[in-house]
Order: sequence, then structure tokens, then C-alpha cells
Amino acid sequence: AQSVTQPDIHITVSEGASLELRCNYSYGATPYLFWYVQSPGQGLQLLLKYFSGDTLVQGIKGFEAEFKRSQSSFNLRKPSVHWSDAAEYFCAFLDTGRRALTFGSGTRLQVQP
Amino acid sequence: GAGVSQSPSNKVTEKGKDVELRCDPISGHTALYWYRQRLGQGLEFLIYFQGNSAPDKSGLPSDRFSAERTGESVSTLTIQRTQQEDSAVYLCASSLIAGDAGNTIYFGEGSWLTVV
Repeated sequence: AQSVTQPDIHITVSEGASLELRCNYSYGATPYLFWYVQSPGQGLQLLLKYFSGDTLVQGIKGFEAEFKRSQSSFNLRKPSVHWSDAAEYFCAFLDTGRRALTFGSGTRLQVQP
Repeated sequence: GAGVSQSPSNKVTEKGKDVELRCDPISGHTALYWYRQRLGQGLEFLIYFQGNSAPDKSGLPSDRFSAERTGESVSTLTIQRTQQEDSAVYLCASSLIAGDAGNTIYFGEGSWLTVV
């Protein structure tokens, strides 16, 4: 079945440290992949998306993600984390049959001072 | 409007009562989506509308759930005879056209439903 998996439920990093959040996908063709962030009390905000072309995608707030077909991965990275990055991060793919996003279970990021 | 608007933002209801949740999408967006997010879990797709039509209702959890959309604008998600397991955040989203990866899907802040 088509799906995305986020293996890490909870990650804690120190402010200023680098960050990598994992996302693995299972999809027959080239997937359309997305990363969203959900801050406390707020709706989901799109960070970046991939659907063709350059496999390294730049997003907002200094985030980037790399699509690796050989590893079926679309990991989210940030070189230096800020305290305001503490939030829940969701990887998603566009289910073209259902015509809607299907989300992973999310990774909660905690940032230590 | 400027963004996806949902109401009420919070609702506490007694088990067995009916509730209606409202979503006002971004103006001009023909696609509208409903998701459910239980505490500490990911988003569960419920239903989408393209215009006023919902081609696939199989994501609705039970026949107690229904949704409608009128005027290619406001949508209402209705839960009849609420149960405690219905407690969740119900998120609405909209985009220009359903299923088009080039269109960003924008989310509202959600309606928090607590069934007591």
C-alpha cells in the first residue's frame, strides 16, 4: 500500500545544532512529497514540496529536503535549529487516486536551550 | 478570506448529541478537505470536495459522519450521536484544484471537539 513512514516519534536537539527528520515512502511511481509543520495552537503550514526536477528542495524557515529514490526517503534538514522550530513535523504524499494528502504519523521536535 | 476559517474553534458536547463543524475555505478554492487528528496522532483523511461534489466518502469513519458543501464555498461536517472516540481536532483545508500537486493545500487551525 502507498504510505509514508516517519520512524522517529520524538526528537530533541540543542538550539544551534543541525537537524534531520526522517521520512520514508512506499509508492509505485515518483511520489509527490511534502513536509508540513504544526506549531502549538496553529494549523499546518507547508514547509516545502517535491514533485519533479531537482532532488534537493529548499523551503521556508531555512529548511531543505532531499529526495532519494534509491533509499525511498525524503528527509527534512536544517543546519541550525532555533527554539521557535519546536513543533510537530509531518511528511505527506499526494494520493492521486484519492486526490488528497496522506500524512505520516508525525515527529515531535523539542529544542533544548 | 485570507485563510481557511473554521468554527467553532472549541466544542465540548455530551455523548449522544449531534455537532456541526463549519469550514470557510480560501476564496476561489474549488477543493476542500476534511481531516481528523486524534491526540498525539497523525492526520486521518475523511473526505474531499471538488466543487460541491464529494466523489469518495469511504474515508468517513462511520455513517454517523456526513459532510456537505454548498455554493462551492462553506462546508459543514456533521457528527450525529457523538461518541467519546470522536474527540479530536477536525482540520479543514482547501486548494485551487483537488489532486494537483502544483497547488498548495492550506489548512485551517482546526475545531477541537471534546465529547464528555
